[in-house]
Amino acid sequence: KAGVTQTPRYLIKTRGQQVTLSCSPISGHRSVSWYQQTPGQGLQFLFEYFSETQRNKGNFPGRFSGRQFSNSRSEMNVSTLELGDSALYLCASSRQDGPSGNTIYFGEGSWLTVV
Amino acid sequence: SQQGEEDPQALSIQEGENATMNCSYKTSINNLQWYRQNSGRGLVHLILIRSNEREKHSGRLRVTLDTSKKSSSLLITASRAADTASYFCATGGGWPGSARQLTFGSGTQLTVLP
Repeated sequence: KAGVTQTPRYLIKTRGQQVTLSCSPISGHRSVSWYQQTPGQGLQFLFEYFSETQRNKGNFPGRFSGRQFSNSRSEMNVSTLELGDSALYLCASSRQDGPSGNTIYFGEGSWLTVV
Repeated sequence: SQQGEEDPQALSIQEGENATMNCSYKTSINNLQWYRQNSGRGLVHLILIRSNEREKHSGRLRVTLDTSKKSSSLLITASRAADTASYFCATGGGWPGSARQLTFGSGTQLTVLP
């Protein structure tokens, strides 16, 4: 079956702009979470959505937001972009039941460069 | 913040040799997961080990977990050049039905020389 799909894969934005990233989870997965990866900070949790509700949020400013739709697809938005927002943004999905409920699968990520 | 540290930060071996990476974490866990990341790519799930398990195998991978020492190790046997990647341990997957928030180690960069 198809894995976690993220779009776009690469994008370049200017400081002050906003960006929206999209994620389609594995079919049947209802939990979607987002991570930011940078050379300096490593992999950091942004937020998690389940059944269209944000269930958990990491330590990021309010410029970072997200949402989940009824089909479990998710988007994250970063407003007023800063140079430090340049990173690989990773989306992950997981089931919420059954013996494989713990396993979390990641997409290929969206590379964001802010200039 | 990072849950723990991985050791070593970088490892270079010859093809055919075994590679061992270690991960330490700070808080109690329900499970621990190992991931591989090729340069510039996403994370590939390798194996999940539950807190009540001590060892798990998958192909050329062997993972051990010592909850008393809050540590885990990943062994890759008979390494290949294609195993060159960064390897991360992650905790915090929770039980089915609970919120998902993984906390990652800093990763081990493995280079397998042909």
